Amino acid sequence: AQKITQTQPGMFVQEKEAVTLDCTYDTSDQSYGLFWYKQPSSGEMIFLIYQGSYDEQNATEGRYSLNFQKARKSANLVISASQLGDSAMYFCAMRYNNAGNMLTFGGGTRLMVKP
Amino acid sequence: GAVVSQHPSRVICKSGTSVKIECRSLDFQATTMFWYRQFPKKSLMLMATSNEGSKATYEQGVEKDKFLINHASLTLSTLTVTSAHPEDSSFYICSAFRTGGAKNIQYFGAGTRLSVL
Repeated sequence: AQKITQTQPGMFVQEKEAVTLDCTYDTSDQSYGLFWYKQPSSGEMIFLIYQGSYDEQNATEGRYSLNFQKARKSANLVISASQLGDSAMYFCAMRYNNAGNMLTFGGGTRLMVKP
Repeated sequence: GAVVSQHPSRVICKSGTSVKIECRSLDFQATTMFWYRQFPKKSLMLMATSNEGSKATYEQGVEKDKFLINHASLTLSTLTVTSAHPEDSSFYICSAFRTGGAKNIQYFGAGTRLSVL
C-alpha cells in the first residue's frame, strides 16, 4: 500500500528564518510524483512545488525548495525566509502514475510563523 | 497557476434537503476531476474520481447514491449531496487534473463548507 507520512503535526518558526517540513513516503513504484500544497485557514489548497521521481535535481519555486532523497524516500519542503503569511497547514502528497493520477495525502503539518 | 472555481463556498441547509456543489476549471479542460472531503484538523480524503462523459469512480465506503457526481463537460463537475443529514456536514473540496508535461498537477477549488441543521 502507498503511504505518505508527515511526522510533525505542528511547527513554529521565527519570521525570516528557514524551516523544513518533513515528508516520507512508501512505494514500490518506480514512477511517481511528489507534491506540496499549502492550506491557509480559508481552506483552499494552493499548489507549491512538484518533484518527479526521475528528476535528478531538487525542485525549487521561489522561497520553496524540495529536498528529495530518493533512497531514503523522503521529500522534505524547505521554506526560506519565512513570512507571517506562511502560517498554514502544509500537505505532502504523492501521485502514483499507475493509479489514475490520484493523489494520496499525508496528515499535514501546521506551521506557525512567529513575528 | 491554473484556476479552479468551486461554488458555493458555504452552504447551510435543513436535514433532508439536497445540495449541489459545482467545480469548474476556468482556464483549462479537465477530463478528470476529484472530490475530497476534509474533517476538522484532518487530511483530505478522496471520495471519488469524476471522469468526463462516464460514471464516477467512488472510493470504498463512499455511498454513490448519497453523493451523486456528474461530469457533463470538460470544465464542469458537480457533486450533489442528496437527502443531507447532520453527519454530512463537512468541508468538501474539488480538484481538476491538468495534464501537461511531466507534472500533471491537480489544482484545487476553494472548497465548500456544508452545514446541515
